[in-house]
Amino acid sequence: EVQLVESGGGLVQPGGSLRVSCEASGFIFSGFWMSWVRQAPGKGLEWVADIKKDGSEKFYVDPVKGRFTISRDNAKNSLHLHMTSLRVEDTAVYYCVRGTTTLVRNWYFDLWGRGTLVTVSS
Amino acid sequence: DIVMTQSPDSLAVSLGERATINCKSSQSLFYSATNNTYLAWYQHKRGQPPKLLIFWASTRGSGVPDRFSGSGSGTDFTLTISSLQAEDVAVYYCQQYYRNPPWTFGQGTRVEIK
Repeated sequence: EVQLVESGGGLVQPGGSLRVSCEASGFIFSGFWMSWVRQAPGKGLEWVADIKKDGSEKFYVDPVKGRFTISRDNAKNSLHLHMTSLRVEDTAVYYCVRGTTTLVRNWYFDLWGRGTLVTVSS
Repeated sequence: DIVMTQSPDSLAVSLGERATINCKSSQSLFYSATNNTYLAWYQHKRGQPPKLLIFWASTRGSGVPDRFSGSGSGTDFTLTISSLQAEDVAVYYCQQYYRNPPWTFGQGTRVEIK
C-alpha cells in the first residue's frame, strides 16, 4: 500500500527540540521530492520545507529557517524534520507529504500522511 | 511571496447543487516558458489528511470524481463542484507552486450542506 506514516510528535517546552519522522512505503521513495506541511490549530495549511530526491537541495519557509532541518534517508525510505528553538507558534499537526518526480523544483503534493501533533507549551 | 486569497471563507450548498470556490493569486501563475499554470486544489475532510484534487489548474488527480473541475488563468481561479454530494463536505485549499518556494496556500473555504 502506498502510504506515509509520521511519528515523533509530542509536547515540548518553548526553546526545546524535537524530531519528527516519516516512513514511506509502497513507492520508490528516492524518486520523489518530499516535504513537510503543517496546520496550526484552527488555521490553514502552511508549507514548511522541501527536500530534493537525493537530498542535495533543501528549502524552508522563512519562520523556520535556521531552526528546522529537513533530511532524508533513501536507504530506509524515511524523512525527518529536526526542530530546534521551538516556539509556541510552531504548535501544529505536521504532515509528511510526497511531492513530484521533477528534476529542478517540487510542485504539488499528491500523497499525505495522517500527521503528527507537535505541541509547544510550558 | 505569492499571496493566495480564497473566497468565500465558507459556503452552504444544497445537495445536488453547484458549489463554486474562487482563488486569487497576487501574481500570475502562468509561466510562458513551459505554457503551464502552477496551481493546485486540495480537499481536507475532518480527521483525514488533505487530498490532491486538481493540479496544473485544471487536471484532475487520480481517482477524483469528474464533478470536480478547475478553471481559470493568470491570477484568478475557480474550483467547481457541479453537483454537491454529502461526502464533499470539507475545507478546500488552493496552492501555488510557481517556479520557486515558498509554496503558499489560500486560507481555505469550508463547504457545508444547506
